[in-house]
Amino acid sequence: AQSVTQLGSHVSVSEGALVLLRCNYSSSVPPYLFWYVQYPNQGLQLLLKYTSAATLVKGINGFEAEFKKSETSFHLTKPSAHMSDAAEYFCAVKAQGAQKLVFGQGTRLTINP
Amino acid sequence: SAVISQKPSRDICQRGTSLTIQCQVDSQVTMMFWYRQQPGQSLTLIATANQGSEATYESGFVIDKFPISRPNLTFSTLTVSNMSPEDSSIYLCSVPGRGNTEAFFGQGTRLTVV
Repeated sequence: AQSVTQLGSHVSVSEGALVLLRCNYSSSVPPYLFWYVQYPNQGLQLLLKYTSAATLVKGINGFEAEFKKSETSFHLTKPSAHMSDAAEYFCAVKAQGAQKLVFGQGTRLTINP
Repeated sequence: SAVISQKPSRDICQRGTSLTIQCQVDSQVTMMFWYRQQPGQSLTLIATANQGSEATYESGFVIDKFPISRPNLTFSTLTVSNMSPEDSSIYLCSVPGRGNTEAFFGQGTRLTVV
């Protein structure tokens, strides 16, 4: 069975600072991993995905994530935060061949001016 | 990516009534998924809807409470039956991407039961 743990339900950074959102996964088989973003009063938008190709994945809006098998991690980073990055971020895992996505608890990112 | 339209986008309903949420996709898909996002929480899969067969429900969700229809490959409905305030949530429709890796989501239906 797959599971995802996001460390920190709320992260606050200053505008221009590094954004780091942590995600650790548990999977009995090689997984697919995803980061989604949910802006206020909107649905989920795919930021990036890892599907067993390059371990460093670049996504939209300047975000990237690195798959580290030894650490079972898939942390999301952005070098310089922007006010528009304020949102809820969800890490998700899916086993290859499976249909269901399993989501983490979410991390609310706040950007301070 | 798929374009997914959900209706209604939000609603306030009286307890004991039912609400049917519609999900329309701009391309044919074999599977459609319905998720619930309770206030301040993550997404939980309610059921998987396949065209031409009964939906498959996850543990904790039953057909009598959340009946689903899937009349064709681009459309599905989820009904929240006999609502109580505990059903106040965002309900999201989702479809798999090409190659069945990522999933795409509709904008969600924000339901408040009073």
